[in-house]
Amino acid sequence: GESVGLHLPTLSVQEGDNSIINCAYSNSASDYFIWYKQESGKGPQFIIDIRSNMDKRQGQRVTVLLNKTVKHLSLQIAATQPGDSAVYFCAETVNFGNEKLTFGTGTRLTIIP
Amino acid sequence: DAGVIQSPRHEVTEMGQEVTLRCKPISGHNSLFWYRQTMMRGLELLIYFNNNVPIDDSGMPEDRFSAKMPNASFSTLKIQPSEPRDSAVYFCASSWRAGIGGYTFGSGTRLTVV
Repeated sequence: GESVGLHLPTLSVQEGDNSIINCAYSNSASDYFIWYKQESGKGPQFIIDIRSNMDKRQGQRVTVLLNKTVKHLSLQIAATQPGDSAVYFCAETVNFGNEKLTFGTGTRLTIIP
Repeated sequence: DAGVIQSPRHEVTEMGQEVTLRCKPISGHNSLFWYRQTMMRGLELLIYFNNNVPIDDSGMPEDRFSAKMPNASFSTLKIQPSEPRDSAVYFCASSWRAGIGGYTFGSGTRLTVV
C-alpha cells in the first residue's frame, strides 16, 4: 500500500559542488537556531548554530545564514562529499538558553559521486 | 566520552506488552530529553528533565507513556500497554548548558509493536 507521511524535500548535488538547504521558521520570537545532520540509522548530530543577533556564521565547510525579516534560515555546505548525504534539520527555540527546541521536517541531501 | 547511550537498539514487542527504553546521558549534562521520530510526525519532544526533575511533559501522548529520571546518569521511558501506533524510533538526548550548543543525541531505539 501507499505509505503516507511527511514529504521530505530532497536535494541532489554533484560531489564537489556547493549545496544550500533552506528552512522557513514560523515563530518570529525564535532567537536561537541550530542545524542538525541525521545519517541513516543514527541520531541527529549538531552541525552549527546561530543566534538572532547575527545573520551569518561560518564553520568548517558550512555556513548558516539567517534572515529574520522573512524568517528564513539556510545551511550552505561547500565542496560536498559523499559523507554529507543525510537528512538535515533546522531547529529553533525562543529565549536563548531555553532548552525546548522545535525541529523542522528536514531535507534529504544526496551527494552524487 | 561514550556519548548518550540508549538501550536496546531494537525492540519488537506484542501489542499490550510493557516496553521500557533506557538512556544514559553524557556525564555532566544536566538536561535530558526524550524524542520520538516517525515518518508521519517527524521529531517530537515527549518530555524533558533538568537536574533530574521533569520540566515539560506536554508532549507525552497519553497516560500509557511515563518517564523517570531517578538520578543524573539514568532515565527510562515506559509504555504500558504498548500499541502498534507507538512504533517509532525513540531518541534520548542530553545537554549541559540549557540547550546552548544543542543537544547530543543517542543512536535511538527502534520500537516495533506488532
